Amino acid sequence: GQNIDQPTEMTATEGAIVQINCTYQTSGFNGLFWYQQHAGEAPTFLSYNVLDGLEEKGRFSSFLSRSKGYSYLLLKELQMKDSASYLCAKGGGSYIPTFGRGTSLIVHP
Amino acid sequence: GAGVSQSPSNKVTEKGKDVELRCDPISGHTALYWYRQSLGQGLEFLIYFQGNSAPDKSGLPSDRFSAERTGGSVSTLTIQRTQQEDSAVYLCASSFDSPGELFFGEGSRLTVL
Repeated sequence: GQNIDQPTEMTATEGAIVQINCTYQTSGFNGLFWYQQHAGEAPTFLSYNVLDGLEEKGRFSSFLSRSKGYSYLLLKELQMKDSASYLCAKGGGSYIPTFGRGTSLIVHP
Repeated sequence: GAGVSQSPSNKVTEKGKDVELRCDPISGHTALYWYRQSLGQGLEFLIYFQGNSAPDKSGLPSDRFSAERTGGSVSTLTIQRTQQEDSAVYLCASSFDSPGELFFGEGSRLTVL
């Protein structure tokens, strides 16, 4: 399998910074996606990393280390609306994303 | 509309019945994906279309599941002789190319009694 592992649940305080980690099997790697999914809604795209390093996009940043099979999503200046599930997905054959189970992030005041 | 459209949004059926789920992707998107999501589970890949052909259907759980895509646009996922374990939200996504950002529909929630 793709063995995509991420924590099941995390909690953080409004205004803080949180890092959501994701590890995956390095074989057949074709990019790493992050998606956000609010309860009862469709997933929405956050980022796609192909090369090593950090990519910043507003309050959200995504990091990739291909040799280590490791990625993280960094959320800064947390807001209540950031409470959602964050899905890590590895691009495999034909670049088809294979998703992990997701990390449920709870932001509290 | 501008997004991916799926119908029906909710479907309740009896065990043993056949169901059809429809996906209308964003115009011009050549790649189309079907996933399903069970409660508390991640997205499980079912099938991928590039145009009208399905180069990867490795995720279809059994021969009760089939899908087609016509005119490089609308796709239909058919589940024959539904079972209770088929209950899930079936999500369709499309992208302009592959790799690329996947745009998801709102999903079709299937409940098999």
